[in-house]
Amino acid sequence: KAGVTQTPRYLIKTRGQQVTLSCSPISGHRSVSWYQQTPGQGLQFLFEYFSETQRNKGNFPGRFSGRQFSNSRSEMNVSTLELGDSALYLCASSLAGGDSNQPQHFGDGTRLSIL
Amino acid sequence: AQTVTQSQPEMSVQEAETVTLSCTYDTSESDYYLFWYKQPPSRQMILVIRQEAYKQQNATENRFSVNFQKAAKSFSLKISDSQLGDAAMYFCAYNRGSTLGRLYFGRGTQLTVWP
Repeated sequence: KAGVTQTPRYLIKTRGQQVTLSCSPISGHRSVSWYQQTPGQGLQFLFEYFSETQRNKGNFPGRFSGRQFSNSRSEMNVSTLELGDSALYLCASSLAGGDSNQPQHFGDGTRLSIL
Repeated sequence: AQTVTQSQPEMSVQEAETVTLSCTYDTSESDYYLFWYKQPPSRQMILVIRQEAYKQQNATENRFSVNFQKAAKSFSLKISDSQLGDAAMYFCAYNRGSTLGRLYFGRGTQLTVWP
C-alpha cells in the first residue's frame, strides 16, 4: 500500500508569490491534516480536511488555505509569500481523523524556501 | 490550552543500552490520546507508539514502551536495546477526542546513538 505522497519535495519561491502544495493520502484515508515545521516554532497545525470539508483550523493567517477533492487528495495554498513562510510542510492522512485506532500517517514533506 | 513539553532537547545513549525520553502535557480533557513519533533526517514522521488515556496499561511495541502517569500528566518513552537506527528526533504528541485530526506536538528530543 502506497504511503502519503507529497509533491513537490522542494520548492523555491520569492516574496509576494503564491504556492500550491499537493498531498495524496493513503488509499482509503479520508482525513488529511497539514502541519508547518520550523526551527523556531516547531510543529504547528494548519488545518484538517475530511470529506472535502475543513473540519479543524489552526491559528494561521488567511493567506494559508486548503481544499480537498472528492478522491481525498488535498492541496494547500499560500498567497503573498513571506520570508517567515520558509518551512517544511507536512501532510498526514488517517481513515477518519487520527484516533487511537486510526493514527495519522505522514508524508515526507515539502521543503519550501522563500528568497 | 493544550501544551506538550519535552524538557530534554538532546539525549544520547550507547548502542544496546536503554534510554528514557520525557514528556509532560497539560489538558483539561478526559478523552485524549498520546503518541510518540520519530523523525529521522529523511524527514518522514513515523509513529512509534500510542496510548489511549482511558487505558491504564502502558503501551508496548517491541523495544519501545511508555510510562503513562495520568495524574501527573506524564508520558515518557523508554527505548531498550538501543540501535543505531533509533537515532532521530523524537516528538511527543497529543490529540483530544473532540478534534481527532489535530495533533499538538512538543518541541522534540534529538536522540544520538553511539556505537
